[in-house]
Amino acid sequence: GAVVSQHPSWVICKSGTSVKIECRSLDFQATTMFWYRQFPKQSLMLMATSNEGSKATYEQGVEKDKFLINHASLTLSTLTVTSAHPEDSSFYICSAAPGNEQFFGPGTRLTVL
Amino acid sequence: QKEVEQDPGPLSVPEGAIVSLNCTYSNSAFQYFMWYRQYSRKGPELLMYTYSSGNKEDGRFTAQVDKSSKYISLFIRDSQPSDSATYLCAMSVQGGSEKLVFGKGTKLTVNP
Repeated sequence: GAVVSQHPSWVICKSGTSVKIECRSLDFQATTMFWYRQFPKQSLMLMATSNEGSKATYEQGVEKDKFLINHASLTLSTLTVTSAHPEDSSFYICSAAPGNEQFFGPGTRLTVL
Repeated sequence: QKEVEQDPGPLSVPEGAIVSLNCTYSNSAFQYFMWYRQYSRKGPELLMYTYSSGNKEDGRFTAQVDKSSKYISLFIRDSQPSDSATYLCAMSVQGGSEKLVFGKGTKLTVNP
């Protein structure tokens, strides 16, 4: 299957700081990437759809000014959690689809102290 | 009624057992059906992908889709301890290039 990578795999930051997470499609180009959040023992919750060259589409209830998404190239999308707070601590996962199958990255565990 | 319903389990079986995992859905427009396996603290791994109705087999895994009943299944034969994970069903109308609707996931433990 296609490979999606994420960096970093885990990050710890202080409350009030910003954190950037990268999502890359390694062996295919992705005009669309997806960002999910997963809390412990819960399923994935879609946060936003990232579109190359245009603004991201955010799901209801997700603050677009807090979760900044930039899809600057066909292989890279970034999610920046601005002014992070402890309640933003979660597992963030991106995905992309070279065709009809959607592949996920390994996830980034964010802990905000 | 949620769009996708999946029994969260947990499900515990002995090694070698046949495992049956199921999801039901309400949106008749769904045409693409996927099963993902997620180990703890890892991203979901695509196991099976099916378009429309029918069966698909890959090694020890068989995916079934019954669109008339809005019911999908994943069967695991000769289950192994390494199959212990959370299994998520997901579906969409237009394929993987659009957002997926996930079930809650079923936590499976295969005991040696």
